[in-house]
Amino acid sequence: KAGVTQTPRYLIKTRGQQVTLSCSPISGHRSVSWYQQTPGQGLQFLFEYFSETQRNKGNFPGRFSGRQFSNSRSEMNVSTLELGDSALYLCASSLGDGNSPLHFGNGTRLTVT
Amino acid sequence: GEDVEQSLFLSVREGDSSVINCTYTDSSSTYLYWYKQEPGAGLQLLTYIFSNMDMKQDQRLTVLLNKKDKHLSLRIADTQTGDSAIYFCAEGRGGGNKLTFGTGTQLKVEL
Repeated sequence: KAGVTQTPRYLIKTRGQQVTLSCSPISGHRSVSWYQQTPGQGLQFLFEYFSETQRNKGNFPGRFSGRQFSNSRSEMNVSTLELGDSALYLCASSLGDGNSPLHFGNGTRLTVT
Repeated sequence: GEDVEQSLFLSVREGDSSVINCTYTDSSSTYLYWYKQEPGAGLQLLTYIFSNMDMKQDQRLTVLLNKKDKHLSLRIADTQTGDSAIYFCAEGRGGGNKLTFGTGTQLKVEL
């Protein structure tokens, strides 16, 4: 079974631009969560989608948004990029039944210059 | 609060056992997880334990949970150089996938 796939692997953007990251979950998984990892703040939860609906949300500004499609694939968008948005963005998928662990992808490394 | 704390570094000799510790504060945590992260990679799920369990063993890995002290540990038997990585503990509550992660413990295995 293929794991969680995130694209692209690396991105370089300029301040003020916007970016879209993509995540394909493990087949059969209906929940997709997004996390941001930085050296200063560590791993922080952004949001979770289940059956195309946002089920949970972390404490990030509205510039961070996401969506989930009917095939459970998810995208995350960050608008008006700031230098502090430079991070590794990790996507995780699970069955979403409350008893299943999260499986993470290899992440997208975003650098904002 | 929802802090999860871990020591930052651990150094062991190859073949010895490693014990990585974690403390958490949320008594309503349902699941507790251990993830491994190698340089340039994502998080690899190592093992997880339900909050009503005290211990879980999986090959070289043993997880111990002390609910009274809110203390979780991961023991790696016969530690190998390939075990060198950062290890994160995380707690989850309820049915959602909002995990709170610790700061990570960098394990260095020396020959």
